[in-house]
Amino acid sequence: SQQGEEDPQALSIQEGENATMNCSYKTSINNLQWYRQNSGRGLVHLILIRSNEREKHSGRLRVTLDTSKKSSSLLITASRAADTASYFCATDAFSSHDMRFGAGTRLTVKP
Amino acid sequence: GAGVSQSPRYKVTKRGQDVALRCDPISGHVSLYWYRQALGQGPEFLTYFNYEAQQDKSGLPNDRFSAERPEGSISTLTIQRTEQRDSAMYRCASSLLGQPQHFGDGTRLSIL
Repeated sequence: SQQGEEDPQALSIQEGENATMNCSYKTSINNLQWYRQNSGRGLVHLILIRSNEREKHSGRLRVTLDTSKKSSSLLITASRAADTASYFCATDAFSSHDMRFGAGTRLTVKP
Repeated sequence: GAGVSQSPRYKVTKRGQDVALRCDPISGHVSLYWYRQALGQGPEFLTYFNYEAQQDKSGLPNDRFSAERPEGSISTLTIQRTEQRDSAMYRCASSLLGQPQHFGDGTRLSIL
């Protein structure tokens, strides 16, 4: 069964704008990770945030985690056409290391 | 190897046949995971291994699905008596213990 839910399901923006995607989950987690998937390709790991962290940065990516609300957000700043992809959040619990993914947000960045 | 390798890339078979999907993880990665992904959806967890031990198989849909990793490296996901609903992309991932998972490009399985 899937754990995370991304919001929105689809997002279309112009190049240069910021893109914000949200993820909500249901049970307590150990880590939350964001992945990117280009159409039909494998998933690429973007960033991992642990349950005791609140914010993390990696290049143009900024991830926040609010464990009280069981939610996370991924912000991509100064978007580029190459950022067009589906973005998934995935969580794993303390008791196991298998990850549960949401259905993803399909981001389109128009040049 | 440089990344997670899955074979075959594409598999088309008739309903009722058995199929075996192979995953060769990144060298040294202890953990290996199998997922199934339907079009437009996120990956759905099937099972995972640490070394050769299967840790969790709660995601396997039914007893036609099984997986093994006998020497703690290469893994095989086997689907017996395939049905059309088994058609999907099957993805394998590997990781060091507790570290981010690295995914292969998947095997697209089509059951006719």
